[in-house]
Amino acid sequence: AQKITQTQPGMFVQEKEAVTLDCTYDTSDQSYGLFWYKQPSSGEMIFLIYQGSYDEQNATEGRYSLNFQKARKSANLVISASQLGDSAMYFCAMREGSNNAGNMLTFGGGTRLMVKP
Amino acid sequence: DSGVTQTPKHLITATGQRVTLRCSPRSGDLSVYWYQQSLDQGLQFLIQYYNGEERAKGNILERFSAQQFPDLHSELNLSSLELGDSALYFCASSPSGGTGLASNEQFFGPGTRLTVL
Repeated sequence: AQKITQTQPGMFVQEKEAVTLDCTYDTSDQSYGLFWYKQPSSGEMIFLIYQGSYDEQNATEGRYSLNFQKARKSANLVISASQLGDSAMYFCAMREGSNNAGNMLTFGGGTRLMVKP
Repeated sequence: DSGVTQTPKHLITATGQRVTLRCSPRSGDLSVYWYQQSLDQGLQFLIQYYNGEERAKGNILERFSAQQFPDLHSELNLSSLELGDSALYFCASSPSGGTGLASNEQFFGPGTRLTVL
């Protein structure tokens, strides 16, 4: 089974509007971390936001917020006031805390976001 | 700029050849991770080193090997290259390599784009 599922291969959003990118995850661990990364066309991976499984508050970083619904195993990224520069691939990733062999990230397939002027 | 450097940025080679990709982690980071991003497989974890020792292994082919040196830089060696090895190879670093609940954000380098002809 996929550990990280991003069901939206591509999305359009109008500039200045908000957009939600979906991410569901699958783990039996109690301790885990969820990450979102942005990959613009230039290729680099840019860290956006992190949510720990025990964090009671939803994480926020500027225009980015993470809608964490633990019971549903979802960690959706919300981008407010979209900008043209937000056009990129977005990846959801998970680090499982009980992995005693390391703390690698498992990535979803990504969502391509296109912001329309 | 994440502080992680990777060289070379681009590499074009022929099938059957061997190449070495180099990564320097952020100052003070002990863990180095290698990831492969291809159209077929998406972003997947290859291997992790922590303070010079192999910490975790993912879907890394036997033709591939890596090491981390005393100065903490790492090299990924790819041999007997096949067309399907063409991909973007990322190195990431993080301060620790353990199983704690710290965010353990992984800082990604700009990647090495490998093209096998």
